Amino acid sequence: AQSVTQLGSHVSVSEGALVLLRCNYSSSVPPYLFWYVQYPNQGLQLLLKYTTGATLVKGINGFEAEFKKSETSFHLTKPSAHMSDAAEYFCAVIKAAGNKLTFGGGTRVLVKP
Amino acid sequence: DVKVTQSSRYLVKRTGEKVFLECVQDMDHENMFWYRQDPGLGLRLIYFSYDVKMKEKGDIPEGYSVSREKKERFSLILESASTNQTSMYLCASSLVNKPYEQYFGPGTRLTVT
Repeated sequence: AQSVTQLGSHVSVSEGALVLLRCNYSSSVPPYLFWYVQYPNQGLQLLLKYTTGATLVKGINGFEAEFKKSETSFHLTKPSAHMSDAAEYFCAVIKAAGNKLTFGGGTRVLVKP
Repeated sequence: DVKVTQSSRYLVKRTGEKVFLECVQDMDHENMFWYRQDPGLGLRLIYFSYDVKMKEKGDIPEGYSVSREKKERFSLILESASTNQTSMYLCASSLVNKPYEQYFGPGTRLTVT
């Protein structure tokens, strides 16, 4: 069975500072990996994805994530936080031939001016 | 612009009532999903459907049923609502060959008293 662990349910960053959200997964086979974002009062939307190829993937709004197989990690980063980045972020995995996502518990990001 | 709509944003029901949550997508997607979202637990899959009249249990199907009579519509049914079903319910849809790229509705916050 797959599982996803997000370290830290809440993260507070200053505007302009680095955003780092941690995600580790456990899977018997290398999965596909995703980050979704949920802005207040909205549904989730796909931020970025890793399926195959380059392990550093770029997403919308300046976010990027790196798949590290040896560490079973897929951490999300953004060099400079903006107030509009305040949201909840979910890491998710799926098996290559699977049809169901498994989500982590989510990390809520607060951006301080 | 792709769209997933849910029938209600907020719903308050009494214990024992039968509750219907409706979801409609306009993207001609084959897959549709129902999740519940609880703080610290992320999203957990209740049921999903890969075609009209086809359904598959997710991780937490107990106490729920679903109906998919038309491709664009997927209903979640709580046969006899209980207080532990108070939660945010999210519907999503995807193409059958991209189950990880899900489009979410805004959610229905259900309170059972």
